[in-house]
Parts: sequence; C-alpha cells; structure tokens
Amino acid sequence: GESVGLHLPTLSVQEGDNSIINCAYSNSASDYFIWYKQESGKGPQFIIDIRSNMDKRQGQRVTVLLNKTVKHLSLQIAATQPGDSAVYFCAETKAAGNKLTFGGGTRVLVKP
Amino acid sequence: KAGVTQTPRYLIKTRGQQVTLSCSPISGHRSVSWYQQTPGQGLQFLFEYFSETQRNKGNFPGRFSGRQFSNSRSEMNVSTLELGDSALYLCASSSDRFTGELFFGEGSRLTVL
Repeated sequence: GESVGLHLPTLSVQEGDNSIINCAYSNSASDYFIWYKQESGKGPQFIIDIRSNMDKRQGQRVTVLLNKTVKHLSLQIAATQPGDSAVYFCAETKAAGNKLTFGGGTRVLVKP
Repeated sequence: KAGVTQTPRYLIKTRGQQVTLSCSPISGHRSVSWYQQTPGQGLQFLFEYFSETQRNKGNFPGRFSGRQFSNSRSEMNVSTLELGDSALYLCASSSDRFTGELFFGEGSRLTVL
C-alpha cells in the first residue's frame, strides 16, 4: 500500500544551526508534497508544500526539496530556534480532495 | 478569524459504546476532513466531506462514519467502540482552492476502556 516515511526518528540540533528532516515516499502519482509541524497538545500546522513538477521551494526560514528520482523529500530549517521543537510530518496527496497520506514523523529537539 | 473547533476535547467511553465527535470548520471552508492519530499507526485519513457529500474515504471499517451539515459543520461517529479506537481524532478544514494546506483543530482525545 501507499506509505510515506513510516519511522519516527529524533533529530537533536543546536539552537542557531540548520536542521534537515528527511522523508521517503512511495506513490509516484502524488501531485503535492507537504510538511506539517505538530507541537505538543496541538493539531498539525501547515508549513510548506511543493508540487510534483517542482524540485525546490522556499518559505520563511524553510526550504523543501523534492527528488522524484529517488522519491525523497526534505525540509530544511535555517537558524533553528527553540520554537521549532516539535514533530514534523511529511504528507503526500493527489490534487483531488484532501486525502493526505502522512509519514510517521520526525521529532526535532532544539538544544539551547 | 476563528480556527477549527472540535468538541469534546476529551472523553472516556467503554467498549461497545458509541461516540459522536463534532467539528466546526473555519468560516467559509467547505471541506472538512477527519484523521485518526495513534502512536502506533500515526496519522491516518478517515474521510473528507465537501458541501455535505463524502468526497474521499480512508480504509476504516464501517463503524466509522461521518456527515456534514449545510453550515459545513461536521460530525463523526464511531459505533461499537473497541480498545483500539483509543486515539486523537483530528478534524481539518480547507478552502476550495486545493493547495494541500489543511487547518487542523486541536483534536478530540478518545479513551476506550
């Protein structure tokens, strides 16, 4: 079946450093790839998305890279801050309704 | 602009009972999706409603059902509860223009004893 990054690793980073979170996906037919952030006790929050016809997209302090050849998605966070501590999920979907397939998530811990 | 509101936030039920969860989307959003989040299975799509019609459905048994009202508010129901139904149930709404951006509520945490 379809799967997107079913592991939950932990990434520990020093405040001010850059973070890179990786995700593997399996459905080549997906149109959109999205990153969400979930803080403790809250619902996921949209960070950034990228269409399948792009390979890079930048937002505020974040960059998403898409490598369709190896089915790999990554989220780069520049100058990581304590407020970036959360679980990050990648997700994929086709552009016909909001049925997202989420990965297992990566926990990011920011050390002061 | 008010966010997505889910009620109740916490509830405890026993096996065999049924439960109804409610979701009020962001004003103007006609799409409402439901997800189940558990430590073991992660975030899994349940179903999506758009203009009172189920547009997408995930791989959950028929005990899980939902509906959407004319004001876009949505409810989901789980009948004959099982221990494995213990989870955080998340509702998300989105605008008509598809971008993959869902606005999630804080969830309803269901514990089945």
